[in-house]
Amino acid sequence: QSVLTQPPSVSGAPGQRVTISCTGSSSNIGTGYDVHWYQQPPGTVPKLLIYGNNNRPSGVPDRFSGSRSGASASLAITGLQPEDEADYYCQSFDTSLSAWVFGGGTKLTVL
Amino acid sequence: QVQLQESGPGLVKPSQTLSLTCSVSGGSISRGGYYWNWIRQPAGKGLDWIGHIYASENTRYSPSLKSRVTISVDASKNQFSLKLTSVTAADTAVYYCARGDHHDNNGYIDYWGQGTLVTVSS
Repeated sequence: QSVLTQPPSVSGAPGQRVTISCTGSSSNIGTGYDVHWYQQPPGTVPKLLIYGNNNRPSGVPDRFSGSRSGASASLAITGLQPEDEADYYCQSFDTSLSAWVFGGGTKLTVL
Repeated sequence: QVQLQESGPGLVKPSQTLSLTCSVSGGSISRGGYYWNWIRQPAGKGLDWIGHIYASENTRYSPSLKSRVTISVDASKNQFSLKLTSVTAADTAVYYCARGDHHDNNGYIDYWGQGTLVTVSS
């Protein structure tokens, strides 16, 4: 049971927009701790996608965006492409656990 | 460009100690401001943060593993290590070493090793 809750799966057709939610609590996101997002295509190493809630590292397309509100965060992907098919993970800090925590991951399928 | 590479036994017997080393190149591990992390991923499952070391001697561990984990740094070799005691089959996973950077009130992983599969089996 992950401290950060993500939907197990989402899907969308090429060109569409999808969002992935990451729900936390008052001991992590709700307290104001930043949320970061990673993308892991099948058989590969995770890659940083969004840091500090809504910042993209160099090289990440602006089709990817992040937001945070209250105890939740969201990753939005617009103009869905086949290569976006991957697992996506959110990550933050939990003050009760005094630990970095990951969401359980969301599998994105491009139909 | 920072690069990380895990090394260590791919097979560990139950009840024994899992030991892995992460060699860092492209930057000094002694340079402050970074978290040196271990993260694992069982086959077909999600990412599981194990812990990290920062400022060469400060450690933070996942509460679920804290009683069995030790992370340490060997600055002379530009390496950091993981020891996990009393392993069981549930510890079978791909183990990643990774560098974490600060952002405001916490940190994120900016560089990952390729990962190494460790199987716990007799």
